[in-house]
Amino acid sequence: GAVVSQHPSRVICKSGTSVKIECRSLDFQATTMFWYRQFPKQSLMLMATSNEGSKATYEQGVEKDKFLINHASLTLSTLTVTSAHPEDSSFYICSARDVGGLNEKLFFGSGTQLSVL
Amino acid sequence: SQQGEEDPQALSIQEGENATMNCSYKTSINNLQWYRQNSGRGLVHLILIRSNEREKHSGRLRVTLDTSKKSSSLLITASRAADTASYFCATAKIQGAQKLVFGQGTRLTINP
Repeated sequence: GAVVSQHPSRVICKSGTSVKIECRSLDFQATTMFWYRQFPKQSLMLMATSNEGSKATYEQGVEKDKFLINHASLTLSTLTVTSAHPEDSSFYICSARDVGGLNEKLFFGSGTQLSVL
Repeated sequence: SQQGEEDPQALSIQEGENATMNCSYKTSINNLQWYRQNSGRGLVHLILIRSNEREKHSGRLRVTLDTSKKSSSLLITASRAADTASYFCATAKIQGAQKLVFGQGTRLTINP
């Protein structure tokens, strides 16, 4: 099956710094990638939809200036948490859909555990 | 916004028993999918059932869909300790953005 690689898997940073998370589709092209946030023992909350070559679409309540998304190619989307604070600590997961897929299954990265001190 | 509600929130059974998880949703859907998540990891797609299907099988998994009741169930037969994980249903709407909305999940524990 298709593989989505997400890095880093874990990051610890000081408050006020910015953290970049990468999501790559390794063996397929993804015009659309999705970024989720997950708190312990809770469901995934969609943060934004990343579209290749255009601006991301953010869900209500998600600060676009706080969570910068760039989808510069068909295989790479990045999420940058700017000026991170302890409340940004969470598990972030990306997913992608094959270009040829229509409402079909998503392929997920392995997630990034962000801890802001 | 979250659409799916799953029940139970947590389930603990003995190895070899069957595990059943339920999912309810609110709006019309194109398809419903079930995913599995091991602790601290990403999600893995298990099975997809379309709105015009009522039942689907894949190995030890059996999924049903009742669009009149807006509900689905996932049955894992002959459970194994390795099935311990969280299970999420996700729905795709007929119209609108092509994104999935995830339920709250069921945390399944299989005791050896």
